[in-house]
Amino acid sequence: QVQLVQSGAEAKTPGASVKVSCKASGYTLTSYYMHWVRQAPGQGLEWLGRINPSGADTIYAQKFRGRVSLTRDTSTSTDYMEVTSLTSDDTAVYYCARDGHDWNFDFWGRGTLVTVSS
Amino acid sequence: QSALTQPASVSGSPGQSITISCTGTSSDIGTYDHVSWYQQHPGTAPKLMMFGVSKRPSGVSIRFSGSKSGHTASLTISGLQVEDEADYYCTSYTDSHTWVFGGGTKLTVL
Repeated sequence: QVQLVQSGAEAKTPGASVKVSCKASGYTLTSYYMHWVRQAPGQGLEWLGRINPSGADTIYAQKFRGRVSLTRDTSTSTDYMEVTSLTSDDTAVYYCARDGHDWNFDFWGRGTLVTVSS
Repeated sequence: QSALTQPASVSGSPGQSITISCTGTSSDIGTYDHVSWYQQHPGTAPKLMMFGVSKRPSGVSIRFSGSKSGHTASLTISGLQVEDEADYYCTSYTDSHTWVFGGGTKLTVL
């Protein structure tokens, strides 16, 4: 069965960077796009960006361009999302979500809580 | 890209029907049928409930249906059940080749 297993919670100070992983199993990673979505405490969902099946192409929400980077390690079936120059506004649960070949997010990871605090 | 507009909350009694609207622009919902809906219970990841405006994923109850008119998409839940109480989010593909979410709607089953 499809599973997306994300790395554990992170606590960072302002100005630092964080890298979250999302290991895929139960399907061929290189056949699907992957999206990243975040949710601040008590807030709604926010789309960050997407990486293509080969990992060679990415697109980001304008708000996050230059600060968010998505990469893919096909040898380990793992996707990564890195956010730099963290502020308290980046405190959120970060999700990876598979693109189900029909412009939707059909499987989600359980989320990784990133807390930014001095 | 501005967020899609959803009502903050809707409510209904068990057995009733409710509809959640999701309004966008000509840059997203008005142009593309790539609208999907997600259900999120507290402390859990979102779950896909509808895609392509009106297509139900395998395993999702037929009580859930979707539609679109102009710049507005809608999710209708008929025969409300207590377990339907959750937050619901719409999303759409945009002409910037990105995705945008709605602000979310809290459904209360009274």
